[in-house]
Amino acid sequence: SQKIEQNSEALNIQEGKTATLTCNYTNYSPAYLQWYRQDPGRGPVFLLLIRENEKEKRKERLKVTFDTTLKQSLFHITASQPADSATYLCALLSGGYNKLIFGAGTRLAVHP
Amino acid sequence: DAGVTQSPTHLIKTRGQQVTLRCSPKSGHDTVSWYQQALGQGPQFIFQYYEEEERQRGNFPDRFSGHQFPNYSSELNVNALLLGDSALYLCASSFLQGTNYGYTFGSGTRLTVV
Repeated sequence: SQKIEQNSEALNIQEGKTATLTCNYTNYSPAYLQWYRQDPGRGPVFLLLIRENEKEKRKERLKVTFDTTLKQSLFHITASQPADSATYLCALLSGGYNKLIFGAGTRLAVHP
Repeated sequence: DAGVTQSPTHLIKTRGQQVTLRCSPKSGHDTVSWYQQALGQGPQFIFQYYEEEERQRGNFPDRFSGHQFPNYSSELNVNALLLGDSALYLCASSFLQGTNYGYTFGSGTRLTVV
């Protein structure tokens, strides 16, 4: 079955550093991969979408890469800030683009 | 511009009862999806509605049913509640299939079954 894996351990980094989160998937060849941010008690917030024919996508301090050979996506936050502390979810569009399959998320903590 | 609105925000029900959760999609969106999120897990797809019909369903029993109204709002119904149904229920809306702009999620309904 389709499976998405994200680092289960929390990522702790110092303010100003670059945070890198990993998303690996198996048994699937997604055409689209999305990243969401989720704060405690809130719904996920859409951040970035990358297509299978795109290697890299940027938005302000965010950068996503998509390697369909390795079946992996990397999510980078440069010049991280304490306000970036949250859980980040990776999701693949599946089922004829009708449903999102989410990873369990990685919790990021940025320390001043 | 109002995003996705869900009600109620919190709910406590007893095993065996039935519950109805409501969702109003973001203005301009025509597709509504429902997800269940257990603590510490990613959201799990329940089903999606488009043009008042269930377009796709995830691996959830028939106790979970839904409806979409002509104004695109949606309801999620769960019958014969089990303790394991306790979770955060999220509604997500999109224009068509969310392949260009992602999905907009509501803040969810926290359901506790006792």
